[in-house]
Amino acid sequence: AAGVIQSPRHLIKEKRETATLKCYPIPRHDTVYWYQQGPGQDPQFLISFYEKMQSDKGSIPDRFSAQQFSDYHSELNMSSLELGDSALYFCASSLGFVETQYFGPGTRLLVL
Amino acid sequence: SQQGEEDPQALSIQEGENATMNCSYKTSINNLQWYRQNSGRGLVHLILIRSNEREKHSGRLRVTLDTSKKSSSLLITASRAADTASYFCATGSGGSYIPTFGRGTSLIVHP
Repeated sequence: AAGVIQSPRHLIKEKRETATLKCYPIPRHDTVYWYQQGPGQDPQFLISFYEKMQSDKGSIPDRFSAQQFSDYHSELNMSSLELGDSALYFCASSLGFVETQYFGPGTRLLVL
Repeated sequence: SQQGEEDPQALSIQEGENATMNCSYKTSINNLQWYRQNSGRGLVHLILIRSNEREKHSGRLRVTLDTSKKSSSLLITASRAADTASYFCATGSGGSYIPTFGRGTSLIVHP
């Protein structure tokens, strides 16, 4: 069965650079969630989208923005990167608002 | 503030033994989920238990929920080396479908 696809899987950036992470949900899933997991930390919810509209907002820094496109894929744009942004970024998807989300493999971002 | 707190933070056992992980939370919940994460990889949903349920089974997994004590436990029976991973509990409460994750228990199963 198709799973959530994230790209790139690994990314290395310098401080103050920008990064764009992409997420392709499971086919027919219309809801996308973004999480950030720092080293040894639990996943923290950043933001979610339902039918291309922002639905919930968590601890997403102002330097980050995200959107969901007409084909339901989503992109997380990160600007003015800081060392503390180094983390594993997960995307998850679901069909509507349900308790169980399906997670992608994550994008590991390293900011030097 | 964190909702779920896992206990223990790390657990090391031999293959064939049972592993029990606990999760405590602070506020009322609608449901509680357990996820597994292999090192540096994605989260895999294991099981969901609703607030009106007390116990749930899935294969070698058994989850209990005690809402009076605001705690849940995950039991993995007859553990295997492949069970080595971090295990997170995540709670859902109010009208939100966004799970709040705890810190996780790191389980090592020695072959």
